[in-house]
Amino acid sequence: GAGVSQSPSNKVTEKGKDVELRCDPISGHTALYWYRQRLGQGLEFLIYFQGNSAPDKSGLPSDRFSAERTGESVSTLTIQRTQQEDSAVYLCASSADRVPSYEQYFGPGTRLTVT
Amino acid sequence: DQQVKQNSPSLSVQEGRISILNCDYTNSMFDYFLWYKKYPAEGPTFLISISSIKDKNEDGRFTVFLNKSAKHLSLHIVPSQPGDSAVYFCAASAVGGTYKYIFGTGTRLKVLA
Repeated sequence: GAGVSQSPSNKVTEKGKDVELRCDPISGHTALYWYRQRLGQGLEFLIYFQGNSAPDKSGLPSDRFSAERTGESVSTLTIQRTQQEDSAVYLCASSADRVPSYEQYFGPGTRLTVT
Repeated sequence: DQQVKQNSPSLSVQEGRISILNCDYTNSMFDYFLWYKKYPAEGPTFLISISSIKDKNEDGRFTVFLNKSAKHLSLHIVPSQPGDSAVYFCAASAVGGTYKYIFGTGTRLKVLA
């Protein structure tokens, strides 16, 4: 079966522009996560969706970041007025279980470069 | 505040020998630990996990050891193969509390043929 897919794979944008990143989770996975990995850093939790529950947005670094998910399908991560410090690889993961999510399946990531 | 630390950014090992990757954590509430492997341009893939009720978990060539008193875990790969060359991340979670995993910064393993 298909794994987690993300698009675009690479995105170069000018400072101040908005970007939208997409994640298609594995079909049937109720949980979806967004992470960010800056150069030389670990994976930084951003947001978590579980079914129809209110998402946990506690990892979003600023109000320029937002994410949506339609049911248990596609999710989009939007960054408004991008800054150079937003440059990173943005990773999406999904899992079948609620808590704990022992095994998260990751997509290949979107490499965002803000110039 | 780095709650999960991988202090060795890189490691080189000869093919056939043992690779030992280390991870330290500071939060005593962590009770579930994962190791992920990441190849370039791919997302991390789950490798092996361990619960705090155990001190060892083995899966083929991969063994994870947990020392709760030292807040330390390690991943052993025996024998190491060139295909094991990748970045390895450890991650920790408090199963009874949060679904959020805290990841380390990764160790790049290079297995030399």
